[in-house]
Amino acid sequence: DGGITQSPKYLFRKEGQNVTLSCEQNLNHDAMYWYRQDPGQGLRLIYYSQIVNDFQKGDIAEGYSVSREKKESFPLTVTSAQKNPTAFYLCASSWDSSSGANVLTFGAGSRLTVL
Amino acid sequence: GESVGLHLPTLSVQEGDNSIINCAYSNSASDYFIWYKQESGKGPQFIIDIRSNMDKRQGQRVTVLLNKTVKHLSLQIAATQPGDSAVYFCAETSSGSARQLTFGSGTQLTVLP
Repeated sequence: DGGITQSPKYLFRKEGQNVTLSCEQNLNHDAMYWYRQDPGQGLRLIYYSQIVNDFQKGDIAEGYSVSREKKESFPLTVTSAQKNPTAFYLCASSWDSSSGANVLTFGAGSRLTVL
Repeated sequence: GESVGLHLPTLSVQEGDNSIINCAYSNSASDYFIWYKQESGKGPQFIIDIRSNMDKRQGQRVTVLLNKTVKHLSLQIAATQPGDSAVYFCAETSSGSARQLTFGSGTQLTVLP
């Protein structure tokens, strides 16, 4: 079945540690995205990538980093510079995001808790 | 309707009744709208979309209505079932690009037995 796989589903981190969230898709989608979801708030875009080896900052990129070495993979690193990292992180993909309206397909999410 | 804040709007309906979930948007240039359903602990799932050249679109048990005059969007679910219990949120864009999607905060729908 085609889809997006995020791992781990739950992750605990001590303050000052970097953590990396995995996102893999087998939908052959060109574009991939990372969103952050906090209780009672809408999804906020962290980073997105329209093509391999290229990515752009979203609305809340500070304290995060990404890479896009393969079309299928778009890992997100939450660095120690992120002051409030506890949240639910969602990865998504779509066909080319720059042309025409298109629908995002989401993964199941990763819940990060800072201890 | 949806709002920004720590507490989600909630809607409770009896099983078998119809549900109406509302969404207000502020950008008059928005031309594409999507409704997503998110069950607890899961990622959002696409339900239905609508472009601004339409005012109504129907799917299986769901209907989306768009009123551009008052910048209002609604999702109607017919014969609500327990499996419909979830957070529903709308997203909109004016550029036609998924990169530019703006998401609402969501409405928690609870279906009562």
